[in-house]
Formats: sequence, C-alpha cells, structure tokens
Amino acid sequence: AQKVTQAQTEISVVEKEDVTLDCVYETRDTTYYLFWYKQPPSGELVFLIRRNSFDEQNEISGRYSWNFQKSTSSFNFTITASQVVDSAVYFCARSGGSNYKLTFGKGTLLTVNP
Amino acid sequence: DAMVIQNPRYQVTQFGKPVTLSCSQTLNHNVMYWYQQKSSQAPKLLFHYYDKDFNNEADTPDNFQSRRPNTSFCFLDIRSPGLGDAAMYLCATSRGGTARGYGYTFGSGTRLTVV
Repeated sequence: AQKVTQAQTEISVVEKEDVTLDCVYETRDTTYYLFWYKQPPSGELVFLIRRNSFDEQNEISGRYSWNFQKSTSSFNFTITASQVVDSAVYFCARSGGSNYKLTFGKGTLLTVNP
Repeated sequence: DAMVIQNPRYQVTQFGKPVTLSCSQTLNHNVMYWYQQKSSQAPKLLFHYYDKDFNNEADTPDNFQSRRPNTSFCFLDIRSPGLGDAAMYLCATSRGGTARGYGYTFGSGTRLTVV
C-alpha cells in the first residue's frame, strides 16, 4: 500500500505561534494528488487544499501555506500566527494512478492554547 | 448548493440490531465511498461504488454491506452491530473517468453509538 505518514501525533502551541505539520507520502504513480483536510471536534472533514504531482509550486492562502517537495516526497502544511480556532485534527491524504481511492495519514491533533 | 447529505447526524442502535445509514448526493458523481472513522484514528475505506459496480476493501467485515439503488443514494447496512462498530461513518463522492482522484466531497458524517 502506498502510505501517507504524519509523524506528529499531537502538537500544542500558544496562540500566534507558527506551526508546521509534516506529511510524507509513498507513491509509485506518475500522476497523483495530495490533500490536506481539517477535522474539527464536530467531525466533518473540511477540505483545505489539493496539489497534483506536476505542480510543485508552493501555495499560500491567508495564514495557511503548503510546501510540496517531490524530491523528499513531502507535503508540509504551515499555519502562521496560529489561532485557537485552528485547533483540530489535520489529515494529509493522497490519491492517484489507477487507485483513485483516498488514503489518509493518521492525522495530527493540533491544540492552540490562548 | 450541490452537496453530500448524510442522515441521521447521530444514530444510536442496540447491540445486534440491524442499522442503516444513508447518504445522498446532488453532484451526479460516479463514485460514492463509505469510510469508517473510529475515535482518534484516520478514516478507513470500507467500500465504494463506481456507478453500479461495488468494490469491497479486503479487510471490511462481512457485517458491513452497501446498496446503491441509483446515482444519488447510497446506503450502509450494518447487519449485527457490535460495540466495536461505534464510529463516525463518512460518505464521500468523486467524479469518475479521467477526473477520478481529483477531488472528493464529504458529507458531515453519521456518528454511530452502539448500546
């Protein structure tokens, strides 16, 4: 199976700190997609970003930024100036090739303390 | 708005009593997925339908079944729920063909409690 690894199980920061969530993936596919989802305590999965394997440009959206590096098979997520509302579980996921099923990492629980 | 709707939001069932969770979509997507997510774990794919074709994951227990009577609806049947089946059940959809794998739309989930 082509795994997604989120080595950080839990991270705790104080509000306004920057925090980076790591994601490393395995793939044998030429074409694949990488995703980040946010899951607040209510349980729904909130889509944050999708990148395809041909687009290594980093992306910034407000306080969120993503760093995609194929050379290290990593797709890291940084929250700048974290806020209490950022507290959630964050999942990295991939799909690709003939397998269009979405495979999730184990998630990182982020707690932002006031 | 086009979306994926799961009903009910919370479901309580008795040990061993069959239960059905429902999912509907207005996106006209080819593929519908059911994920099981236990507490503090990642969502785990149980099975999916690509149009009418059912695809079961190898490690999905026989206790879990699914039906897709039409494009819009998909059901998850748990024949004899055990305490270990308490979880959040997430339905998702995606397009098929060359767009498959490109994006997924998730419902809000049904949180199942077994008593």
